[in-house]
Amino acid sequence: KAGVTQTPRYLIKTRGQQVTLSCSPISGHRSVSWYQQTPGQGLQFLFEYFSETQRNKGNFPGRFSGRQFSNSRSEMNVSTLELGDSALYLCASSFGDRAGYEQYFGPGTRLTVT
Amino acid sequence: SQELEQSPQSLIVQEGKNLTINCTSSKTLYGLYWYKQKYGEGLIFLMMLQKGGEEKSHEKITAKLDEKKQQSSLHITASQPSHAGIYLCGADLSYNTDKLIFGTGTRLQVFP
Repeated sequence: KAGVTQTPRYLIKTRGQQVTLSCSPISGHRSVSWYQQTPGQGLQFLFEYFSETQRNKGNFPGRFSGRQFSNSRSEMNVSTLELGDSALYLCASSFGDRAGYEQYFGPGTRLTVT
Repeated sequence: SQELEQSPQSLIVQEGKNLTINCTSSKTLYGLYWYKQKYGEGLIFLMMLQKGGEEKSHEKITAKLDEKKQQSSLHITASQPSHAGIYLCGADLSYNTDKLIFGTGTRLQVFP
């Protein structure tokens, strides 16, 4: 069974640009969550999607957005990039209709903003 | 204060030694997850605990959940260099969602 995949793996952008990251969950999983990991703040929750609906959102500005498609694949978008957005972005998937299902993470997308 | 406290922050042990990492929540736990991360890479799922008193093992790693104390411990027996990495605990603090709160991580180094 294929694991969670994320594309691209590495990305370099300039301040002010926007970026779209993609996450394909494990087959059969309907919940996709996104996290940002930085050395200073650790792993922080961005948002979670379940059956194409955003179910939960973390404390990030509106520049961070996401969506989920009918096949459960998810994308996150960051507009007007700032230097502080440089981070490892991780997505996780699970069966997800309630808490307590195992969540599996992808390898991450490392975003560098210059 | 942190909702999920993990200790110690760093561990350096000699190969063959046992070690324990702790994770304590300030809120009710609906699920407690342990992950391992190599620097800059994704999180590798180790174990998930839900019920008080639950204990799970995988190879030489054992995790326990003390529901009353809202605390989990991860124990590695006879550590090996392959155990080196960052261990993260994550917690479901809400029943209806998959929002995980993570501890700050424990960096484990194992030297021969």
